[in-house]
Amino acid sequence: AAGVIQSPRHLIKEKRETATLKCYPIPRHDTVYWYQQGPGQDPQFLISFYEKMQSDKGSIPDRFSAQQFSDYHSELNMSSLELGDSALYFCASSLGGRAATNEKLFFGSGTQLSVL
Amino acid sequence: GENVEQHPSTLSVQEGDSAVIKCTYSDSASNYFPWYKQELGKRPQLIIDIRSNVGEKKDQRIAVTLNKTAKHFSLHITETQPEDSAVYFCAVHNTDKLIFGTGTRLQVFP
Repeated sequence: AAGVIQSPRHLIKEKRETATLKCYPIPRHDTVYWYQQGPGQDPQFLISFYEKMQSDKGSIPDRFSAQQFSDYHSELNMSSLELGDSALYFCASSLGGRAATNEKLFFGSGTQLSVL
Repeated sequence: GENVEQHPSTLSVQEGDSAVIKCTYSDSASNYFPWYKQELGKRPQLIIDIRSNVGEKKDQRIAVTLNKTAKHFSLHITETQPEDSAVYFCAVHNTDKLIFGTGTRLQVFP
């Protein structure tokens, strides 16, 4: 079965550079979530989209922005990168927006971002 | 907002023993409680979940219990095996997103 696809798998950037992470949800899933996981930490919710509209926002820095496109894929744009942005970034998808099915999240393999 | 606490942070057991991990939450409106297993550098994988209208759910060696009145739920792993070694996260679904506990590193020694 198709899973959530994230690219790239690894990304190395310098401080103050920009990065773009991509996420392709499971087919027919209409909700996408972004999580940031630092070393030894739990995943922290950044932002989510339902039907191409932002549905919730967590601890996402102003330097980050995201959107969901017409084909439901999503991109997380990160600017003015800082050393502390080094983390594993997961995308997850679910089906159903505000229906009960939206509770079950399926995670991608993540993008390991290293800021040097 | 919702606050999820998870204990213990580390747990070491002998192969064949049982392991129990506990989580508490604060918002009584939360109604979906999944558990994820995460191996180093890999994605969180859903291993079992429970909804608030159920008190217990079991899947082979894994079970989850929920006490909605006390606002806590637990993961039980019986007959542990070395391949059960990983970090386990509880989570609570609240306002259309999952909020994770702080994780438990489980080590199963042969």
